[in-house]
Amino acid sequence: KAGVTQTPRYLIKTRGQQVTLSCSPISGHRSVSWYQQTPGQGLQFLFEYFSETQRNKGNFPGRFSGRQFSNSRSEMNVSTLELGDSALYLCASSLIVLAGAKTDTQYFGPGTRLTVL
Amino acid sequence: GESVGRHLPTLSVQEGDNSIINCAYSNSASDYFIWYKQESGKGPQFIIDIRSNMDKRQGQRVTVLLNKTVKHLSLQIAATQPGDSAVYFCAEGSSRTYKYIFGTGTRLKVLA
Repeated sequence: KAGVTQTPRYLIKTRGQQVTLSCSPISGHRSVSWYQQTPGQGLQFLFEYFSETQRNKGNFPGRFSGRQFSNSRSEMNVSTLELGDSALYLCASSLIVLAGAKTDTQYFGPGTRLTVL
Repeated sequence: GESVGRHLPTLSVQEGDNSIINCAYSNSASDYFIWYKQESGKGPQFIIDIRSNMDKRQGQRVTVLLNKTVKHLSLQIAATQPGDSAVYFCAEGSSRTYKYIFGTGTRLKVLA
């Protein structure tokens, strides 16, 4: 099976712009989570989607948003970029199916390195 | 954002020795734990997992120990090799919240 793929791998933007990142989960996986990774803050949870519904959201401002499509592919969007948004954005997918089901292993993609100038 | 700590501790071990990486988790309701390895420029890679109904689980050269009483997780790597050099993260998950919380990470350096 192909792993989690993320596009683009690298992105350079300027302050005030907006950006959209894409994630394709492992085939059959229906849960997609997004994380922001920075040297100072480590891995921080952004949000999780399952069946096109956001089930949980981390403590990030409303400039960060996401969505999931019927084929489980997901996108996240950051509007009005700030210098502090420079980070590695990671997507992870898992097989978890039902609410209340046991949590399942998350498999990560390679990430999108976003640099805001 | 949510995170656990900002300092990245480093563990240096001689090649061939055993490594033990520790992690304290925060939520007593967490029922699933994962160890990840992250090499420079790559996403975290799954190593081994354990559910809360177990105390120990073994994989190839790796063992995870879970102590729910003190909310502590450890990863033991046997016969550490240069290719094991990376940052290791623990993650705690809960089926109630559909999210995982990651530890700060520990950098493992293998000395030749």
